[in-house]
Amino acid sequence: EPEVTQTPSHQVTQMGQEVILRCVPISNHLYFYWYRQILGQKVEFLVSFYNNEISEKSEIFDDQFSVERPDGSNFTLKIRSTKLEDSAMYFCASRLERGGNEQFFGPGTRLTVL
Amino acid sequence: AQSVTQLGSHVSVSEGALVLLRCNYSSSVPPYLFWYVQYPNQGLQLLLKYTSAATLVKGINGFEAEFKKSETSFHLTKPSAHMSDAAEYFCAVSDQDFGNEKLTFGTGTRLTIIP
Repeated sequence: EPEVTQTPSHQVTQMGQEVILRCVPISNHLYFYWYRQILGQKVEFLVSFYNNEISEKSEIFDDQFSVERPDGSNFTLKIRSTKLEDSAMYFCASRLERGGNEQFFGPGTRLTVL
Repeated sequence: AQSVTQLGSHVSVSEGALVLLRCNYSSSVPPYLFWYVQYPNQGLQLLLKYTSAATLVKGINGFEAEFKKSETSFHLTKPSAHMSDAAEYFCAVSDQDFGNEKLTFGTGTRLTIIP
């Protein structure tokens, strides 16, 4: 069964460093998302991506964040200069089409900023 | 703007008892509604969804939910709890009218099953 994959499963970084979180969505899906979940809190939307551009972003997704789909298979989230409060589980999701179709989530990357 | 309220951050039920997890939503347009389950150290798995067809929706693992527009609710139920149901459950809403259909999640309910 097709699935969304994410690497790495755990990333530890120093404050101020850049990190890139990688996702491989399901191959024929058209809509891509990043969410995050701070420990003990709810899952929050960060950004959605369709047709090679951002379609919506939340207030959390400031200038330190960027997304890219460089090669038609990977979907990356870059945090330019990490802060302590960026420590969270980051989930990638993908969806085939509109109309209430399921978003398939990856297993997540746990980012720890020291 | 959409929002989801899940009453009860922790629910405990005995094995074999009824499971009822509550979800109320707020949306200015017709919603799509979802229940996701998260097992420890895993991602989110879809249990079931409402997309404006039948109001009673059946999902995986014996769960079902009923969309009640008058009560703006989408409560999750299972007639008989199993030990393997212990997990965190998230209710989520998305708008039907916007293309990207981002999910807005509730704060989650941790379900504990008592042997």
